Amino acid sequence: EDKVVQSPLSLVVHEGDTVTLNCSYEVTNFRSLLWYKQEKKAPTFLFMLTSSGIEKKSGRLSSILDKKELFSILNITATQTGDSAVYLCAVIHGSGNTGKLIFGQGTTLQVKP
Amino acid sequence: DGGITQSPKYLFRKEGQNVTLSCEQNLNHDAMYWYRQDPGQGLRLIYYSQIVNDFQKGDIAEGYSVSREKKESFPLTVTSAQKNPTAFYLCASSTPSGYNSPLHFGNGTRLTVT
Repeated sequence: EDKVVQSPLSLVVHEGDTVTLNCSYEVTNFRSLLWYKQEKKAPTFLFMLTSSGIEKKSGRLSSILDKKELFSILNITATQTGDSAVYLCAVIHGSGNTGKLIFGQGTTLQVKP
Repeated sequence: DGGITQSPKYLFRKEGQNVTLSCEQNLNHDAMYWYRQDPGQGLRLIYYSQIVNDFQKGDIAEGYSVSREKKESFPLTVTSAQKNPTAFYLCASSTPSGYNSPLHFGNGTRLTVT
């Protein structure tokens, strides 16, 4: 069965801390892995990772994929209260033109002042 | 501005009634998706459509129906057969078919059935 598992499920830190969120997957015909940030409503896209070992970076956020060990991490350095959100990991998989997206359960991050 | 519009934002219905959630996009995307999100769980795929007049069941399609008569529109009907319909529903789109393309999401519809 195809699945995406995130850990931890929830995390509470203080401003300035660095956090690492984990996402592991088992799918057939892996294509790419995505990270989203969801505050109140629509998830907003953060990163798409298709190649192993290449770090993607955007400000204080960075992410990397390990296709051999089937996982990805999302790092947030110098956390701020505005980073409080649910972080969703998703994997696109499938063959031909039928790419499907499977989401993990999400990690709820709370950053305290 | 291009985007995905879901309406209404909040919806209340009594048990036994069918209800239709609207999703419209002006991004010219081929593929559209419906997800359901429950507290403590990730998004689960209900239905998806790769092209007009075609759609496929996702992982939790029972009790739901969709149509894709126009490229821009992908309405979702929650029928009385859906045993636990109260949830947050998210519509998304991508192009060309989700392969190497991140999904763009609408702002969601929160459905409460009593």
